[in-house]
Amino acid sequence: DTAVSQTPKYLVTQMGNDKSIKCEQNLGHDTMYWYKQDSKKFLKIMFSYNNKELIINETVPNRFSPKSPDKAHLNLHINSLELGDSAVYFCASSHPRDSLDTQYFGPGTRLTVL
Amino acid sequence: SQKIEQNSEALNIQEGKTATLTCNYTNYSPAYLQWYRQDPGRGPVFLLLIRENEKEKRKERLKVTFDTTLKQSLFHITASQPADSATYLCALETGANNLFFGTGTRLTVIP
Repeated sequence: DTAVSQTPKYLVTQMGNDKSIKCEQNLGHDTMYWYKQDSKKFLKIMFSYNNKELIINETVPNRFSPKSPDKAHLNLHINSLELGDSAVYFCASSHPRDSLDTQYFGPGTRLTVL
Repeated sequence: SQKIEQNSEALNIQEGKTATLTCNYTNYSPAYLQWYRQDPGRGPVFLLLIRENEKEKRKERLKVTFDTTLKQSLFHITASQPADSATYLCALETGANNLFFGTGTRLTVIP
């Protein structure tokens, strides 16, 4: 009965490669997010989608491209990976109308770029 | 732009005591503020939400206060237990569908 799931949990790759992280939520929420948590544990929003439409796109390099095939999925594709992309990436979802943006987070994907 | 400061990166307290964590913000007052718990290797988990017109909110051993004059929220855990050891994050709403998170305070409850 996993609420928000992400795959893979760990991702180790070489600089310059392209990789994707998948996220699915079974909570029936309208809004999904991607966050990046760096080595100092600062959790920063990257993107927000509501009903498959992009709402928030913070200052993120255009090498990062989110894709929402449907309301329950928000995938993150990263091109030309760089060392500085190493971090933990969290997917989250919320149902703003009912819960004032209370976020339900996935378990995270630890990305290591070598 | 909004800035959040959470008191000391790490806080150690004895089991049974009350832990008090602070969240100060610098700019406009948010309509509401949330507190999350994050354990190592896991995603944050929502604990409590407090609106700007609420002074205090309680849930079991947890209590949150919100002072818009001081631009501060306090998060209390009474009768603390080693199982309460975790990082606690405060988050402020910044507009539709957006939360701004603090860097968190790592709490260790010593048996």
